[in-house]
Amino acid sequence: DTEVTQTPKHLVMGMTNKKSLKCEQHMGHRAMYWYKQKAKKPPELMFVYSYEKLSINESVPSRFSPECPNSSLLNLHLHALQPEDSALYLCASSQESGRETNEQFFGPGTRLTVL
Amino acid sequence: DAKTTQPTSMDCAEGRAANLPCNHSTISGNEYVYWYRQIHSQGPQYIIHGLKNNETNEMASLIITEDRKSSTLILPHATLRDTAVYYCIVRAFGGKLIFGQGTELSVKP
Repeated sequence: DTEVTQTPKHLVMGMTNKKSLKCEQHMGHRAMYWYKQKAKKPPELMFVYSYEKLSINESVPSRFSPECPNSSLLNLHLHALQPEDSALYLCASSQESGRETNEQFFGPGTRLTVL
Repeated sequence: DAKTTQPTSMDCAEGRAANLPCNHSTISGNEYVYWYRQIHSQGPQYIIHGLKNNETNEMASLIITEDRKSSTLILPHATLRDTAVYYCIVRAFGGKLIFGQGTELSVKP
């Protein structure tokens, strides 16, 4: 199984809502990533988890809260988002975060709209 | 991580080779060249990577100049399904994947 799955595919939320994005992989990868991609822009790294511990936070606002409950799962909890947070949120995984052959496998993304 | 420069867009005829250039003149000795692509409405997909030797896999070939200041990704027989944004990324061992603007490749029948 070389797939990264993300749920939901689409999410519409109000600025006062709390929601969560889910990501799952069963490739035995020990590094997992969250990226944000605005329309017609490249993906931007948000967070990196290595062996279930947060290793990189790219100065992301606290309204985004990542969680890695186990080595296969990655969540992104959302609270009090702004309309400018509307974007495609991509999850990725790799064997480890510090290896040469750090091929990252990406999920299809969750399209988030904040009203 | 070194910065890369790619053409904004390119066209290629179906069945012909697509040659996508990338400049990375400030690349350091320990930095690798990675290529990913993103088909519309999908997540990015890894294609190939290299340090200084040319590399080939089932998807593409990567040609890196001797001075390592530029590289070319070659899709030998482009199909309509190769239409995508192609990202050239320079990354140090263990470093982050930082995407640039990429090249939008359109394969036309």
